[in-house]
Amino acid sequence: AQKITQTQPGMFVQEKEAVTLDCTYDTSDQSYGLFWYKQPSSGEMIFLIYQGSYDEQNATEGRYSLNFQKARKSANLVISASQLGDSAMYFCAISTYKYIFGTGTRLKVLA
Amino acid sequence: KAGVTQTPRYLIKTRGQQVTLSCSPISGHRSVSWYQQTPGQGLQFLFEYFSETQRNKGNFPGRFSGRQFSNSRSEMNVSTLELGDSALYLCASSLGETGDYNSPLHFGNGTRLTVT
Repeated sequence: AQKITQTQPGMFVQEKEAVTLDCTYDTSDQSYGLFWYKQPSSGEMIFLIYQGSYDEQNATEGRYSLNFQKARKSANLVISASQLGDSAMYFCAISTYKYIFGTGTRLKVLA
Repeated sequence: KAGVTQTPRYLIKTRGQQVTLSCSPISGHRSVSWYQQTPGQGLQFLFEYFSETQRNKGNFPGRFSGRQFSNSRSEMNVSTLELGDSALYLCASSLGETGDYNSPLHFGNGTRLTVT
């Protein structure tokens, strides 16, 4: 069985600072994908970044990077230089034969 | 390229009625998944279709059903609506070949269903 855990229900960060959103996972599969999605108040889920289980380098997409520590089974999202528009819910997900989502972290960026 | 389109955006129904939600995936995507999102339960997987076949199913009662057409468009039906079915229903598409675990999901804006 797969499981995703996001332990931070809510976080605050000052504009222009970096923030790390935590995600740990559990799976017995060797091949899997890890994803982060952003959900603004409008409701749409926006794909941010992907990390494959065999990728040795941490994934980066613009201001987003994924801190992948396979032995610890963690896949934390780092947002650099936070912007007001980053305020949203953030979901971590794992995919093997199906997707499982975490409970999300609500991020609020303060001006 | 057009994104995932869900219709309608909002629905209000009464208990006992049935409802059909529609989803048009991104062109070329053959996998369509449906999720129910509520404040208490988070994102719950309903089912996934690939090339008109249901490939995976979540733990929902038989009142929840879906189908996929030859053009990859998908519909989801909920019969005998209950108050607890009030939720945001999200559809997502992906390239999603069998065994492909690294295809990101691309979501629509969702249908917000309110059951009174």
